[in-house]
Amino acid sequence: RKEVEQDPGPFNVPEGATVAFNCTYSNSASQSFFWYRQDCRKEPKLLMSVYSSGNEDGRFTAQLNRASQYISLLIRDSKLSDSATYLCVVNPLGNQGGKLIFGQGTELSVKP
Amino acid sequence: EPEVTQTPSHQVTQMGQEVILRCVPISNHLYFYWYRQILGQKVEFLVSFYNNEISEKSEIFDDQFSVERPDGSNFTLKIRSTKLEDSAMYFCASSQTGLGYEQYFGPGTRLTVT
Repeated sequence: RKEVEQDPGPFNVPEGATVAFNCTYSNSASQSFFWYRQDCRKEPKLLMSVYSSGNEDGRFTAQLNRASQYISLLIRDSKLSDSATYLCVVNPLGNQGGKLIFGQGTELSVKP
Repeated sequence: EPEVTQTPSHQVTQMGQEVILRCVPISNHLYFYWYRQILGQKVEFLVSFYNNEISEKSEIFDDQFSVERPDGSNFTLKIRSTKLEDSAMYFCASSQTGLGYEQYFGPGTRLTVT
């Protein structure tokens, strides 16, 4: 099983659509979780951290289910500017190491 | 908004040569990292660094790699004898509150080994 596994994509959606990304991770002891976005050939940019209670930032909602080792990201009212690759990221050791493990990413294309 | 910066943006080198990639982390950050991304593949962790010591390193980070904080602002990655398979985008990152917390990435250095 891959350490961090994501929907393969690509997702092609119209503007205004709601889109959901899923991710699973293999290490049950993982400490912290994030969603990053990456535009073509650019650096990963932090979108949001994911907390056990779930958290929301504007049109973006992240959920974590530790029992199922599952993370999700929901984007409401998609904009053209949301087109990017979305990376599910896990820190397995917390403050003991700092290593982030990245998923392969799911590509999103929002069309007019 | 403070940013991580990296130089050069693109480095071309011949196999067997040494390269040094440079990074200036965000000024009040204390934790520093290097990652790489081979074209078409996922981002991979190389090394984390805190208090002038390596905190963690991956299997990729072998004896050919080293990191240094030569002064109060720069953080460098050295590859002693480059191989073709070292060709990748190298990202520097930094974090403020600890090793397990949000990491902010620089724009990357594209390394091409010929």
